[in-house]
Amino acid sequence: EAAVTQSPRNKVAVTGGKVTLSCNQTNNHNNMYWYRQDTGHGLRLIHYSYGAGSTEKGDIPDGYKASRPSQENFSLILELATPSQTSVYFCASGDWTTSQNTLYFGAGTRLSVL
Amino acid sequence: AQKVTQTQTSISVMEKTTVTMDCVYETQDSSYFLFWYKQTASGEIVFLIRQDSYKKENATVGHYSLNFQKPKSSIGLIITATQIEDSAVYFCAMREGVGDNSKLIWGLGTSLVVNP
Repeated sequence: EAAVTQSPRNKVAVTGGKVTLSCNQTNNHNNMYWYRQDTGHGLRLIHYSYGAGSTEKGDIPDGYKASRPSQENFSLILELATPSQTSVYFCASGDWTTSQNTLYFGAGTRLSVL
Repeated sequence: AQKVTQTQTSISVMEKTTVTMDCVYETQDSSYFLFWYKQTASGEIVFLIRQDSYKKENATVGHYSLNFQKPKSSIGLIITATQIEDSAVYFCAMREGVGDNSKLIWGLGTSLVVNP
């Protein structure tokens, strides 16, 4: 069973502070994704990665950075957190080149920026 | 641009009945992949079922099946003999891109409530 682990599960941050959300996958998947989920907007793609050392901008990258230092780890960084970044964040991993051909999600991180 | 639309915001059904959730998509690709995911009340998002566009047979997994109507660009999710634990939000998605250079385009979801 594919495993994606996010930490922390809950985070309260102050406006202007730096926040790092971490994601680890043990699936050996090339692709990893960061989404945010807000009521009425569904899942929106922030950043994604094809493999270690690569990051790509998704649909709503402004205010976020990403880092993929290894196959297993993918971080989302909010350098200067704002209240508008209060949301639930999901990490996912996937391998589109095998029969799995789908995404596996972490449990999510609930972030509140005060 | 590719697009996925789920027009049903919420559906309420009685337990043990069959429910169909609608999804239409837009794509210029000749070959594509369509997915359904379930998000439970706890927030967990799990993959349910996938339809490969080049396959004529509708995909089936357990009590989930798909109604793939390619000429209508439609991929409905059918849940038979619904159970209380099927209450969740269901998302339709379509893969955009080729190989590793792929991402999912998502619908906004349909909330399903199964009543006892």
